[in-house]
Amino acid sequence: LAKTTQPISMDSYEGQEVNITCSHNNIATNDYITWYQQFPSQGPRFIIQGYKTKVTNEVASLFIPADRKSSTLSLPRVSLSDTAVYYCLVGPYGSSNTGKLIFGQGTTLQVKP
Amino acid sequence: DSGVTQTPKHLITATGQRVTLRCSPRSGDLSVYWYQQSLDQGLQFLIQYYNGEERAKGNILERFSAQQFPDLHSELNLSSLELGDSALYFCASSVGPSGEGAQYFGPGTRLTVL
Repeated sequence: LAKTTQPISMDSYEGQEVNITCSHNNIATNDYITWYQQFPSQGPRFIIQGYKTKVTNEVASLFIPADRKSSTLSLPRVSLSDTAVYYCLVGPYGSSNTGKLIFGQGTTLQVKP
Repeated sequence: DSGVTQTPKHLITATGQRVTLRCSPRSGDLSVYWYQQSLDQGLQFLIQYYNGEERAKGNILERFSAQQFPDLHSELNLSSLELGDSALYFCASSVGPSGEGAQYFGPGTRLTVL
């Protein structure tokens, strides 16, 4: 599974847009990129998943450049409740593979008032 | 609420003991995953079951075992417990056997070994 690198921590203020970039230089052709959010003592929560270009849902956008060696999670207008750890995961998905998730250290986002 | 339930919420036991953690997946999900989260190791994948069969194995110790029953609930058995086994244990579920789409995590079981 491809190794990911993301900042250990980030600070932001309420109402700002936050962009968290993840580097995955060894991403394989059949790898997807998935982001999870985790609050203290809670299980991770799926945010968004993509393969290429841009994916948007009701909570976030995921930007993936053409070479797919990095990806950026964009959180619009963050609030205090977005303070959490954000994990970038890269893995092969398909009928011949498993759902095994490899979590790195994640990015701790601190949103300040 | 993810729809995944885990019991018990907290468990305190002594070294050398054996415990069983239980997980009920979301309705319709056939895959169940177990993860361990400790302060020094982060989130670690332990094992996956799909429709009753073992699908993938991660960093699961030989003292640990799991199974998925015909009604799709799963149990994680931890035996000969050591202090270092103290951690949060999460169960997750998904529809299919692979990782496409979301895994839905339960609230976790906090295990404390004294």
